[in-house]
Amino acid sequence: GAVVSQHPSWVICKSGTSVKIECRSLDFQATTMFWYRQFPKQSLMLMATSNEGSKATYEQGVEKDKFLINHASLTLSTLTVTSAHPEDSSFYICSALMGAEKNIQYFGAGTRLSVL
Amino acid sequence: QKEVEQDPGPLSVPEGAIVSLNCTYSNSAFQYFMWYRQYSRKGPELLMYTYSSGNKEDGRFTAQVDKSSKYISLFIRDSQPSDSATYLCAMSEGAQKLVFGQGTRLTINP
Repeated sequence: GAVVSQHPSWVICKSGTSVKIECRSLDFQATTMFWYRQFPKQSLMLMATSNEGSKATYEQGVEKDKFLINHASLTLSTLTVTSAHPEDSSFYICSALMGAEKNIQYFGAGTRLSVL
Repeated sequence: QKEVEQDPGPLSVPEGAIVSLNCTYSNSAFQYFMWYRQYSRKGPELLMYTYSSGNKEDGRFTAQVDKSSKYISLFIRDSQPSDSATYLCAMSEGAQKLVFGQGTRLTINP
């Protein structure tokens, strides 16, 4: 299967700081990437859809100024959690869409964010 | 009613058993059906992908889609302790966002 690399795998930061998470498709070009958030023992919650060269589309209830998404190339999307607070602590996962006609999403390994 | 329903379990079976995991859905426009496996603190890993109705087999895994009943299944034969994970069904209408089930936590006991 296709490989999606997500970095870092775990980050601890102080309240009020910003954290950037990178998502890369290593062996294919992804015009569309997705960002999810997952709480313990729950399913994935879609936060936003990231399209290369255009603004991200955010799901209802997700603060676009809080979660900045940039998809500057066909292999890289970034999620920046701005002015992080303890309630932002969660597991963040990205995925990349391989082939629009098949609609297969391949996922990164996830980033565990802990805000102190 | 949720768009995709999946029994969250937990489900515990002995090693070697046949495991059946299921999801039901309400949106008849869904065309793409997937099963993902997720280990603790890891991202989901694609196991099976099916377009429209039918069966698909890959090793010990078989995926079935019955669009008339809006029901999909994943069967695991000769289950192994390494199969212990959370299994997520997911589906979509096209090149759009996936709709996930709640996930079923599966434990295979040696």
